[in-house]
Amino acid sequence: DIQMTQSPSTLSASVGDRVTITCRASQSISSWLAWYQQKPGKAPKVLIYKESSLESGVPSRFSGSGSGTEFTLSISSLQPDDFATYYCQQYNSYPITFGQGTRLEIK
Amino acid sequence: QLQLQESGPGLVKPSETLSLTCTVSGGSVSSSSHNWGWIRQPPGKGLEWIGSIYYSGNTYYNPSLKSRVTMSVDTSKNQFSLKLNSMTAADTAVYYCARTGCSGTTCSNWFDPWGQGTLVTVSS
Repeated sequence: DIQMTQSPSTLSASVGDRVTITCRASQSISSWLAWYQQKPGKAPKVLIYKESSLESGVPSRFSGSGSGTEFTLSISSLQPDDFATYYCQQYNSYPITFGQGTRLEIK
Repeated sequence: QLQLQESGPGLVKPSETLSLTCTVSGGSVSSSSHNWGWIRQPPGKGLEWIGSIYYSGNTYYNPSLKSRVTMSVDTSKNQFSLKLNSMTAADTAVYYCARTGCSGTTCSNWFDPWGQGTLVTVSS
């Protein structure tokens, strides 16, 4: 199985900050990586797929980059609605695996 | 707009079998472009992929659950289903159904959209 490791587990930031979340794969997954945002009591929502493709309707302040084994999700200027938990997911091979999550909280 | 809705019991006894159904509206479970997945999330924890089923009926299961999981598709009802046997407290979770995502004509195994999720508690 491909293990996905996110860092940090918790991130404290303020509105307007630029933040970056890292996701590392235990082996190369090419660009087969998605990022999700999840708010309490809600289903995850895809933000980014294929490493850097922005899902329709997702604000352009979200961006993804990387390849191989190291990936990042960046939010250019945090908005109040962005405080949530973020997950990466690899779909290079079965079994599909997710990172453990990064909780983005208000400083 | 495609919507998915999970249904099933909210409470299951230990050792029993969980049966969940996902009803698809605004699209067809018979689509050759997509497959359909189940993902779960224990309270306060992360996401775990359970398995996926293709329109053809081909299935892929998480090896950690493979011995206990069965997935199926009912095209007449536009539904797909999950059965998980020998339930224990460790299987208490919110269970989500989801479709794989597509960009234009290219589809792959990210998940979009998701159902709202259904909490399943295992307790006697």
